[in-house]
Amino acid sequence: GAVVSQHPSWVICKSGTSVKIECRSLDFQATTMFWYRQFPKQSLMLMATSNEGSKATYEQGVEKDKFLINHASLTLSTLTVTSAHPEDSSFYICSAGDRAVRGYTFGSGTRLTVV
Amino acid sequence: QQQVKQSPQSLIVQKGGISIINCAYENTAFDYFPWYQQFPGKGPALLIAIRPDVSEKKEGRFTISFNKSAKQFSLHIMDSQPGDSATYFCAAPWGGSNYKLTFGKGTLLTVNP
Repeated sequence: GAVVSQHPSWVICKSGTSVKIECRSLDFQATTMFWYRQFPKQSLMLMATSNEGSKATYEQGVEKDKFLINHASLTLSTLTVTSAHPEDSSFYICSAGDRAVRGYTFGSGTRLTVV
Repeated sequence: QQQVKQSPQSLIVQKGGISIINCAYENTAFDYFPWYQQFPGKGPALLIAIRPDVSEKKEGRFTISFNKSAKQFSLHIMDSQPGDSATYFCAAPWGGSNYKLTFGKGTLLTVNP
């Protein structure tokens, strides 16, 4: 089945630094990737949609200059949290979609803690 | 963004019992309604999905019942096991060709041994 690999699984960074999270589709071409954010005991909230080779589309209220998304190839998307602050601490999850797969396969998530 | 209303928020079931989680959605033209299972510290995993042209889909102990006229679909877990203890999310698509998913708030299922 479709596999999405997300790294790192957890990261601790200092306030003011930037963190990059990678999301790779291992056995299919992901024309579209989604980035979600999940706070403890809450649902997944869509942050942005990225299409390979084009700019990401951000959901209302999501700062595009803070959460930089790059989808340079059909198998890799990255989310960079710039100038991270403690309130950015959360569980970030990517999802890769393809019309043939249709399963919206999710990565294993990245626990970001900003200290 | 399309709303998906999920209930109950939490559910406790004895081993061997039936777990039922319900989801209601608003108007949609899309044909895909999935349920996801999420364990603590992990990403959601697709459990089962249904298209609205069928009223029921069964995969092992998991069954989706779909009522298109009522815009509702539910997840039934038969013979619930402690290993089924997790958070379950229903979802529904929106956003045109990008097939974005909006998620319900989740149901924390606890299956007691």
